[in-house]
Amino acid sequence: KAGVTQTPRYLIKTRGQQVTLSCSPISGHRSVSWYQQTPGQGLQFLFEYFSETQRNKGNFPGRFSGRQFSNSRSEMNVSTLELGDSALYLCASSSQGGDTEAFFGQGTRLTVV
Amino acid sequence: QKEVEQDPGPLSVPEGAIVSLNCTYSNSAFQYFMWYRQYSRKGPELLMYTYSSGNKEDGRFTAQVDKSSKYISLFIRDSQPSDSATYLCATVGGGNTPLVFGKGTRLSVIA
Repeated sequence: KAGVTQTPRYLIKTRGQQVTLSCSPISGHRSVSWYQQTPGQGLQFLFEYFSETQRNKGNFPGRFSGRQFSNSRSEMNVSTLELGDSALYLCASSSQGGDTEAFFGQGTRLTVV
Repeated sequence: QKEVEQDPGPLSVPEGAIVSLNCTYSNSAFQYFMWYRQYSRKGPELLMYTYSSGNKEDGRFTAQVDKSSKYISLFIRDSQPSDSATYLCATVGGGNTPLVFGKGTRLSVIA
């Protein structure tokens, strides 16, 4: 059974640009959550999508957005990139979200210069 | 106060040692507890998932939950150099609330 796939693995962007990251969940999983991981803050929750609807949202500015497609694949977008957005962005897939087991992808390493 | 507190380490132990990793949490609504292992430049890997207070064992790994003191632990027996990684505790309440993570403890097992 294929795991969670995130693309691309690495990205370098310039301040002010925008970026789109992609996550393909485990087959049959309907919940996709996105996290930002930095050395100082650890894993911080961005948002969760379930059946194409945003179900939960963390405390991030509106520059961070996402969506989920009918096949459960999800994308997140960051507009007007800032240096502080440099981080490892992880997505987690689970069957129902909430208290069901969550499995992570390898992450996308975003560097903003 | 963060919802989940975890000592970041680093923790360095000799091969074969018993490792104890710990987290405390503040919210009594948290009911489910997980431990993830994250190797450098990789995503977190689910190691243990438990609900009730008490112990859950899987090979060399034992997860322990004490809901009365809001304390969760992961024990690694006969530690190996391949156990060198960052260990993240996570918890969640019921319903559809998101996971809350500790900041992770970096472990090095020295051969």
